[in-house]
Formats: sequence, structure tokens, C-alpha cells
Amino acid sequence: EDKVVQSPLSLVVHEGDTVTLNCSYEVTNFRSLLWYKQEKKAPTFLFMLTSSGIEKKSGRLSSILDKKELFSILNITATQTGDSAIYLCAHTDKLIFGTGTRLQVFP
Amino acid sequence: NAGVTQTPKFHILKTGQSMTLQCAQDMNHGYLSWYRQDPGMGLRRIHYSVAAGITDKGEVPDGYNVSRSNTEDFPLRLESAAPSQTSVYFCASRYNISERWKDTQYFGPGTRLTVL
Repeated sequence: EDKVVQSPLSLVVHEGDTVTLNCSYEVTNFRSLLWYKQEKKAPTFLFMLTSSGIEKKSGRLSSILDKKELFSILNITATQTGDSAIYLCAHTDKLIFGTGTRLQVFP
Repeated sequence: NAGVTQTPKFHILKTGQSMTLQCAQDMNHGYLSWYRQDPGMGLRRIHYSVAAGITDKGEVPDGYNVSRSNTEDFPLRLESAAPSQTSVYFCASRYNISERWKDTQYFGPGTRLTVL
């Protein structure tokens, strides 16, 4: 059975900290992995990862995929209160989502 | 483009009542999905459709029906609502897969449904 597992479930940090969010997957037919950020409403797209070892970067956020070990990480450096959100990881073949990581950044 | 739109934004139902949640997209996407989101459960797919006239079950289809009469619209129907269906519902769309760059899925704003 295909599945996506995220860890930790919840994370509380102070502004300026660096955080690493994890996503591991077991899927029968890998296509790509998606990362989303969800604040109060709908998830918004962050990254799509298809190839191992190639880092995707957007400002203070970056993500990388390891297809051999079946996981991806999302890094956020110099966190800000505006980074507080649920971060979701999903595999695109069957559009399966992990449970998400709730990040809270305090001043 | 409006993207993916959903109506209503909020609704309260009594147990046993029926309701249709509306979803529409104007991006010419073929692949539409309905998800529900509950605390600690992430996003779970209810039903999906890859084209007009074709629908299929997701992870949690029981108690829900869908139809797809055209490319744009994908309504979700609750025939006899139960308190366990209290949730936030999201509609999402993307291109049908032929090239990987089309994999990104876009979400509607969500419908918060309460069943008393």
C-alpha cells in the first residue's frame, strides 16, 4: 500500500532558528514529490521534486529528494513568524498526502 | 483565471440532510479530486475524476457521491449527512499526466462543513 509519512508531527521554534522537516514515502510507481505550505486556508505549492540530489530553492526554503532512501527534506533557514503553518508532502501518482508537520515560530 | 473555486465556504447541516459541494476550475485541467482534511489526519482523497464521464474512488469514498458531466465542474454530494462528515473539504485540480511538469496540483479555498 502506498504511503507518505511526515515527521515530526509538530515543531515549535524561535525566530531565526533553522528547521528540517522530513517526508518518507513508499510508493509503487514514483513520479514526483510535492511540498505544500498550508496556513489558514488551502495548501499552496512550494516545490516539486523529481530527481535525486537536485536541490530546489526559494528564498529561505529549500528541498531535496533522495530516491534511493525514499525520503525528502524541507529546510527553512532563519525562520520567521510568517513561516508558521502546516507543511504537507504528497506523492503525485496517487496524490497521497502525509499528515503534515505543524510548524510554530515564536518571536 | 479564477483557478479552482468552491462553494459554499461554510455550511451547517443536520444529520440525515443532503448537500452538494460545488467545485469548478477554469484552467482546462482534466484531473480533479476531492479531499477532506481532519485534525491529525492530513488530506485524504474522497473521489477523483480524470475526465468528463469518468470518476473513481479515493481512500475514503463512503457516504459521498460525485459526477463529472463536463471538464470544469466536479460536484461532491452527501446524500445523508452524518456527524463523522464534519470536516474541511478541498477540491484540487491538475493536468492529466503526460509530462512531469504537469504534476503540480492546485487547491480550491475549501468548504468548512459541520454536521450536527
